[in-house]
This record gives sequence, structure tokens and C-alpha cells, in this order.
Amino acid sequence: NAGVTQTPKFQVLKTGQSMTLQCAQDMNHNSMYWYRQDPGMGLRLIYYSASEGTTDKGEVPNGYNVSRLNKREFSLRLESAAPSQTSVYFCASSATGTTQYFGPGTRLTVL
Amino acid sequence: SQELEQSPQSLIVQEGKNLTINCTSSKTLYGLYWYKQKYGEGLIFLMMLQKGGEEKSHEKITAKLDEKKQQSSLHITASQPSHAGIYLCGAKKRGGSEKLVFGKGTKLTVNP
Repeated sequence: NAGVTQTPKFQVLKTGQSMTLQCAQDMNHNSMYWYRQDPGMGLRLIYYSASEGTTDKGEVPNGYNVSRLNKREFSLRLESAAPSQTSVYFCASSATGTTQYFGPGTRLTVL
Repeated sequence: SQELEQSPQSLIVQEGKNLTINCTSSKTLYGLYWYKQKYGEGLIFLMMLQKGGEEKSHEKITAKLDEKKQQSSLHITASQPSHAGIYLCGAKKRGGSEKLVFGKGTKLTVNP
């Protein structure tokens, strides 16, 4: 049972480049989330999806787009990366109203 | 908006010592979650508290939620190097939302 998986683990981008972070879960969870973690700021919610086909903005959505491709997969896209988006990105999933389980994270550097 | 304050920000203890980490909110907590994070890794779920006065234990870690549901504590008994990491509390927002807000974390170092 893999739980929540994320790819890639590490990524370096130049300013203005685009990329998509992938997340998949095999726990049949309805809800999925994207967070970023920055020193001194803690975890902040970027977007979340309560079910397949629905997405909602979190605390820091600017500069990001998401796609809930199906029940298993929830991707995060940076259309034009900026140095301020250098961070560690975590995906999480949960059954409705229950504990969130996190993936191992993607460490992104934007030069 | 609901904010969670964690204290202390960092903690260094000698192996075998007990310690406590606190998580405080200015508003009522609706579901309080404790996670542990090792450097460079994801968050591992520890415990969830929901009712005022609730207390849960797992191995040497005990979490409590006060009666007013505005403060939670995480207590580690006889700490070991394996307890080292960053501890984060997260809480649900009022209204049944699935979203969690997190504290900034407490970094724990346990010296052998």
C-alpha cells in the first residue's frame, strides 16, 4: 500500500518555466490537498479538492493551477515559475471528514 | 482567521528527559491533529483530538485537548533520539470545512 505518492522529489526551474507536480493516492480518498512549506511560515494550503471534478482555493493560490484528473490523482501546475515559489510542496489526501495523510514532498527551487 | 501558535519554536533535550509542546488557538478548535515530520520527509500522523478534555496516548507520546478546546499539549516521556523531528499541530476551521490550518512547528532535538 503506497499511500500518497508525489513526483518528482526534486526539481530545479528557471524563472518563467512551467511544470506540473504530480500526486496520486491509492486509499480511495475523496479529498486531496496541495500545501507548501516554507521556513518560518509553516504549512499553507494552496488548493484542495473535496471530490473528483471539484477544486477550491486555499490560503495561497496565486500562481498555481490544479487539476483533479480522477479520484486518485491531483496535479499542481506552475505556469510561469517565480523565485517566490521556491518551497517544499506536499500533497495530502483524506476520506471525507477524517485525517489527512501526506506524501513525501517535492523540493522545488526556482532560480 | 484561526491561527495556531506553537511553543516552544525549538527544543533541545537530553535523552531520557520528558518534554511538552503546546499548541494554542484564540478560537475553539474543531478537530486538533498532531503530526511529526523528519527532515526532508513528509508528515506522519500521530493523533487526533476532538472532545474537550480528551487525552490519547501512543507509546511514549500523550496528547491532550483542554476543556475549552483552545489549547493542546503533546507530552513525550523518556525521550529518545528517534523522537527528534518537527512536530506540527493542525486544526479544522469552524463550519465543518475539510481544510486544516497549521502551526509553524516545534523542532525537537534529542541528544544521546
